[in-house]
Amino acid sequence: DADVTQTPRNRITKTGKRIMLECSQTKGHDRMYWYRQDPGLGLRLIYYSFDVKDINKGEISDGYSVSRQAQAKFSLSLESAIPNQTALYFCATSDSGQGSYGYTFGSGTRLTVV
Amino acid sequence: LAKTTQPISMDSYEGQEVNITCSHNNIATNDYITWYQQFPSQGPRFIIQGYKTKVTNEVASLFIPADRKSSTLSLPRVSLSDTAVYYCLVGGYSSASKIIFGSGTRLSIRP
Repeated sequence: DADVTQTPRNRITKTGKRIMLECSQTKGHDRMYWYRQDPGLGLRLIYYSFDVKDINKGEISDGYSVSRQAQAKFSLSLESAIPNQTALYFCATSDSGQGSYGYTFGSGTRLTVV
Repeated sequence: LAKTTQPISMDSYEGQEVNITCSHNNIATNDYITWYQQFPSQGPRFIIQGYKTKVTNEVASLFIPADRKSSTLSLPRVSLSDTAVYYCLVGGYSSASKIIFGSGTRLSIRP
């Protein structure tokens, strides 16, 4: 099983619909992140969480919300999806205890809003 | 905010050594330098991380000069499977919001 699992892998939804992307990890890491990647561009940070009770906005949080249900689970919600939220979404984890900053990424969720 | 600058693209041939340089003039004292590799439709994969001088692992070397304002990822004897986008990141473990991926360097390896 993958260390960081994202579901679904692909999703097509209609404008205005609410959608949730889920992420779970078996790394035992305390830190989790959601990134968005648009074609030909780098990754942009949406939200991040350093522990279960900690939620922080990233560069592009507008239109998104998150929930850290447990140390191993971090979900991303689009309350009312719009076409420009069509992108590849990645969940990542890292371990604060190592004093370094190596991420482990999931395989991504390709979201299309029509 | 430690912004990084990398070449947009690079080309090389199988068997060659490839060096990708990243500039990070505003690097902070507690920032590490980390490189990632990304294949199409996959999440980035950690390659190597360093703080100063030279770090080497089984896939790459990372060279960091004394002033730490730049770093060079060195890939020895590349193969076609090294074709990917490479990202240079600068940041400390307490500053997630300042970890900026940028657009990376698109490396193309030819036979």
